[in-house]
Amino acid sequence: QLQLQESGPGLVKPSETLSLTCTVSGASISRSSNYWGWIRQPPGKGLEWIGNIYFSGSTYYNPSLKRRVTISGATSKNQFSLKLNSVTASDTAVYYCASLRPIAAAGLGVRYYIDYWGQGTLVTVSS
Amino acid sequence: QPVLTQTPSASASLGASVTLTCTLSSGYANYHVDWYQQRPGKGPRFVMRVGAGGIVGSKGDGVPDRFSVLGSGLNRFLTIKNIQEEDESDYYCGADHGGATNFIFGGGTKLTVL
Repeated sequence: QLQLQESGPGLVKPSETLSLTCTVSGASISRSSNYWGWIRQPPGKGLEWIGNIYFSGSTYYNPSLKRRVTISGATSKNQFSLKLNSVTASDTAVYYCASLRPIAAAGLGVRYYIDYWGQGTLVTVSS
Repeated sequence: QPVLTQTPSASASLGASVTLTCTLSSGYANYHVDWYQQRPGKGPRFVMRVGAGGIVGSKGDGVPDRFSVLGSGLNRFLTIKNIQEEDESDYYCGADHGGATNFIFGGGTKLTVL
């Protein structure tokens, strides 16, 4: 079974860069047809998609975060990473990494759904 | 892009049934929606995908037969029968708008088991 585990600092200062890594086990991220993504959840609030990466090199980002986000991969380590720069207190959230599996959708082409989630890691932005 | 609307809260008695609704914005009646369950203090888990014709694909790992879905027009329903204490969770619907290029989530429904 696929498993994902987030790691990284739990505290980041305002204006600095948030950096997280997701380690994947149970599948090879470079040989899978899946996308790999990041989603976050501010305390007591709902889910917000951050972005996805595919190992052909394609990346897609939430337009509201695009200027500050970079998602990259390290296939030799079976990992992918998130960098969010110029953070503020509003970036405080639980950050989840996830696996996105393709599924055929009649009339819509190929679509993806989040089949597995990491357990999440809380990142607090504070001085 | 579509907007997904969910009722903020719902409640049901132990052993009863409840139906949660996710409503797509106008013009997106052909969209599939994914249901996710998030137990208190835990990460979300995939429940199942639903289109206008009902379930699409398979249920998520370990999802009981008590969970089922239906689709009608702009609405995507998740029904839980014989509710158990373990079903008390936040339930989110989500949709892929553009083949992994843009994901949208509803605001979530908090289900309380009485």
